[in-house]
Order: sequence, then C-alpha cells, then structure tokens
Amino acid sequence: AQTVTQSQPEMSVQEAETVTLSCTYDTSESNYYLFWYKQPPSRQMILVIRQEAYKQQNATENRFSVNFQKAAKSFSLKISDSQLGDTAMYFCAFMKPGGGATNKLIFGTGTLLAVQP
Amino acid sequence: GAVVSQHPSWVICKSGTSVKIECRSLDFQATTMFWYRQFPKQSLMLMATSNEGSKATYEQGVEKDKFLINHASLTLSTLTVTSAHPEDSSFYICSVGGGISYEQYFGPGTRLTVT
Repeated sequence: AQTVTQSQPEMSVQEAETVTLSCTYDTSESNYYLFWYKQPPSRQMILVIRQEAYKQQNATENRFSVNFQKAAKSFSLKISDSQLGDTAMYFCAFMKPGGGATNKLIFGTGTLLAVQP
Repeated sequence: GAVVSQHPSWVICKSGTSVKIECRSLDFQATTMFWYRQFPKQSLMLMATSNEGSKATYEQGVEKDKFLINHASLTLSTLTVTSAHPEDSSFYICSVGGGISYEQYFGPGTRLTVT
C-alpha cells in the first residue's frame, strides 16, 4: 500500500522569504501522480501544483515549484517570495491512475505553514 | 478546473436524525466523485468513491449503512448520514476527479454538528 509522509507538522517563514515543505512517499508503482494542495483557514482545498512521475522536469507554477526525486521518493514544495495569503495547511498527495475508484488520493498528514509579516 | 459546490455549508441536527449533504459539479460531468471526512487539524480521510449510476465503493472501516451515498446524475452526488450521533460531527468534503493529470477539485465542505 502507498503511504505519504510529511515530517514537518508546522513551519514558519517571514514574508518575502523562501520556504521548503518536505514530502516523501512509498510505492512500488512506476506510473503515478503527485500533488500539493493547500487548505487555508476557509478550509477550501486548492490545488497548488501537480507532477507526473514519468516527467523528469520539475513542475513550476509561478512562485511554487517542486523538487521531485523519483529514486528517493521525495516530492518537496518550494514557495518563493512568501506572501501572507500563503498561510495554510499544505497537504502532499499521491495518486495511482487506474480509473474510477482507483483514482483516489492518498494524503499526507499535512504541514501548517504560517507566514509572518 | 472544475467548480464544485456543497449544500449545506453548515448543519446542526439532533442525535438520531438523518441529514443529507449535496455535492454538485457545476461545470463538469463527473462519473466519479469522492467523499472525505476531516477532523480538526487532521488530514482528509477518504470515506467512499461515488460512481454515477452504480453503487458507491466504501473504504475499509466505513459503515455503508450509516453513510448512504447516491450518485444519480453526472452532476450530483449525495451523502446521507443516518441516525447521526455526536461522534459523526465532522467536516465533510466532496471532490470531483477528471483533471487532465487526474487532479481532484474540491467542494467548500460541510460542517456537521450533531447535538
């Protein structure tokens, strides 16, 4: 069974600085997808970034980028130029495609990020 | 991405009654929807996968007779919590799958309080 581990329960960063959130996962699959979701105080889950395992190039979305190390099964999220609106719980998630019920997300325990003014 | 709504956003019910939560995909025809439960400061726990026109697939440990799921159309799935008890109080979130990279899009959630 696949597992996702986020070893940092809480992190803090100063506004405009850079922070990296860690995520490791365990799987025997070769084809899968990885995601970072954020959940702000409103509790609305928002997709931050996605990574296809078959792509070697790290995904980037504006200030958000990932460091995907497939062999090490590591998928960290880097947030550059942190903003107050980045304050949220961040969840790393794994998905093995297969259609229907198999397309379920497996979430890590989350990292609570606080951006300080 | 897909726009997903949930209704109600917050419901309070008495112990022993049933409550229905709706999840609508507003701009996407969803053959599959997912139902999650989230306790305060915890991660999302998948309860079941809702399949349009067929029975839901429940995760291990989830009581299917207590959490009834109906996915009657490509835009609507409902979760009914039957004979609710205070321990059922939680935040329930639905999602729609089908993004180009299999990402899921989430509804805003429903806070259930059972008194």
